[in-house]
Amino acid sequence: GESVGLHLPTLSVQEGDNSIINCAYSNSASDYFIWYKQESGKGPQFIIDIRSNMDKRQGQRVTVLLNKTVKHLSLQIAATQPGDSAVYFCAESRWAGTALIFGKGTTLSVSS
Amino acid sequence: EPEVTQTPSHQVTQMGQEVILRCVPISNHLYFYWYRQILGQKVEFLVSFYNNEISEKSEIFDDQFSVERPDGSNFTLKIRSTKLEDSAMYFCASSTGASYNEQFFGPGTRLTVL
Repeated sequence: GESVGLHLPTLSVQEGDNSIINCAYSNSASDYFIWYKQESGKGPQFIIDIRSNMDKRQGQRVTVLLNKTVKHLSLQIAATQPGDSAVYFCAESRWAGTALIFGKGTTLSVSS
Repeated sequence: EPEVTQTPSHQVTQMGQEVILRCVPISNHLYFYWYRQILGQKVEFLVSFYNNEISEKSEIFDDQFSVERPDGSNFTLKIRSTKLEDSAMYFCASSTGASYNEQFFGPGTRLTVL
């Protein structure tokens, strides 16, 4: 069945380091991928997205990389800050308007 | 900045009771969704709603669940006879349905079934 998973349940970094969070997906028909950040007691917050016709997209301090050959997605956070501490989920969908299938989440802890 | 809102923030109910969770999606959005998250687990899709009908639903969304858009602003999730395993955070989301499928999530309703 469809599933999206993350390689590591937790990641601990020092403030100022670059963080890389990985995700493997299984549905080759997925067309759209998103990274969400979830802080304790809150709903998922959009970080960055990418379509399957791209392999890289950059935002402010964040970059998403998509490798369709090995069905791998990663989120890179530059100069990680304590405020980046949260659970990060990748999610996939087939096309616009369809269900997002979430992975299990990676808890990022940033120490100063 | 427009946002999805949800009420109540916390709902406690007895097993077997009916609950209605309410959401106000972002006003110009056309697609509406419900997801749930059991404590410590991943977010799971329940149902999507477009043009006043269900467009997609998961295996979780069985006959105990229903959704409705009773007016131009609200979007509700009803659980007819709650079970202990329905205890979870329930998130409403909405999107424009444009080519990038960014879904905006509300803060969630924590449902506790006793």
